[in-house]
Amino acid sequence: GAGVSQSPSNKVTEKGKDVELRCDPISGHTALYWYRQSLGQGLEFLIYFQGNSAPDKSGLPSDRFSAERTGGSVSTLTIQRTQQEDSAVYLCASSPSPTSVGYNEQFFGPGTRLTVL
Amino acid sequence: QQQVKQSPQSLIVQKGGISIINCAYENTAFDYFPWYQQFPGKGPALLIAIRPDVSEKKEGRFTISFNKSAKQFSLHIMDSQPGDSATYFCAASRGSSNTGKLIFGQGTTLQVKP
Repeated sequence: GAGVSQSPSNKVTEKGKDVELRCDPISGHTALYWYRQSLGQGLEFLIYFQGNSAPDKSGLPSDRFSAERTGGSVSTLTIQRTQQEDSAVYLCASSPSPTSVGYNEQFFGPGTRLTVL
Repeated sequence: QQQVKQSPQSLIVQKGGISIINCAYENTAFDYFPWYQQFPGKGPALLIAIRPDVSEKKEGRFTISFNKSAKQFSLHIMDSQPGDSATYFCAASRGSSNTGKLIFGQGTTLQVKP
């Protein structure tokens, strides 16, 4: 079946511009996560959705970052007034069930590589 | 605050050798420890995972060893193959939490030479 898809695969933008990154999770997966992978670093948690609500936004680095999820499916991560330090690969993952969500496998998309000039 | 520390940063192993990657965690509330494998241009994929009620879990050539008292766990890849060349991430989470967010180590780039 189809896995997690993300678009665009690459995004180059100028400092100060806004960007939107999209994630299409696996159909039926209720949990959705955004992570950021900076060069040479591990993955950094950004936000968690269960359905359309975001009970954990603790990883968002600043108020320039926001995310939403609609219809319990597609999610968009928006970065306003991008800065060079925002350059990274943004990864989305989905997971099948809220039951024992902490033990469920997370299925990752290929990521969006964001470059801020 | 780095809650999961991973070493080494990079590793070169000959084909057929054993690859060992180590991780240490700080938060004793963590109770789920997965390892993810990532190939260039791809997202990470779950390789193997362990809960602290066992000290070892083996799946094929991959084994996790877990030491709860030392707050350490490691991945052993037996009979390493060139196809195992990838970046490996350890992670930890509170399985009992209502989010399941993973705290990742910094990653280890493994190169298996033929």
